[in-house]
Amino acid sequence: EADIYQTPRYLVIGTGKKITLECSQTMGHDKMYWYQQDPGMELHLIHYSYGVNSTEKGDLSSESTVSRIRTEHFPLTLESARPSHTSQYLCASNDYTHNEQFFGPGTRLTVL
Amino acid sequence: SQQGEEDPQALSIQEGENATMNCSYKTSINNLQWYRQNSGRGLVHLILIRSNEREKHSGRLRVTLDTSKKSSSLLITASRAADTASYFCATDLQGAQKLVFGQGTRLTINP
Repeated sequence: EADIYQTPRYLVIGTGKKITLECSQTMGHDKMYWYQQDPGMELHLIHYSYGVNSTEKGDLSSESTVSRIRTEHFPLTLESARPSHTSQYLCASNDYTHNEQFFGPGTRLTVL
Repeated sequence: SQQGEEDPQALSIQEGENATMNCSYKTSINNLQWYRQNSGRGLVHLILIRSNEREKHSGRLRVTLDTSKKSSSLLITASRAADTASYFCATDLQGAQKLVFGQGTRLTINP
């Protein structure tokens, strides 16, 4: 079982709310990632980080933002949620010596 | 189209049979990885094959890589009901330092 955690697991909110999805890992990994995945579909990379104070946008345009102030923590924030943000958000991490990524359980977000 | 394309999109077989899934990609890779995802959960890494390897085994899993055809296959032998899940290939592109995932194969094992 990977030591990477996401909270909340499920979130239902109204349009216009600000939300932060939490992701933490205890493996000391420098690299962390956020993916967006619609049910039964592929994963799309929306943000990634190679270490503290490093953040990059991924391949899929996203209105979310991320921060990396501590190695173990990589939160994702939506300033104003919309129904189009309804999806599953997966956090992952790895280190520079191992290519395989470890995934958290995901946050399923529904915006009404 | 996508870097990683998998087929079939869905596969349903009887328990005990072998399941084969294929993945094709377009650009040069450092390695190719296979992941499993149970419904509504995160992904779990299964196996990694490097660009200079042709075949790799892990338990009931066998992965092949043909870089000349830019394709890989995942074989699950003697399938079990617990193998029911979605399976994704992911390519580690040269110079990219990130993975690109295919759209996945949804595998159902019928008891």
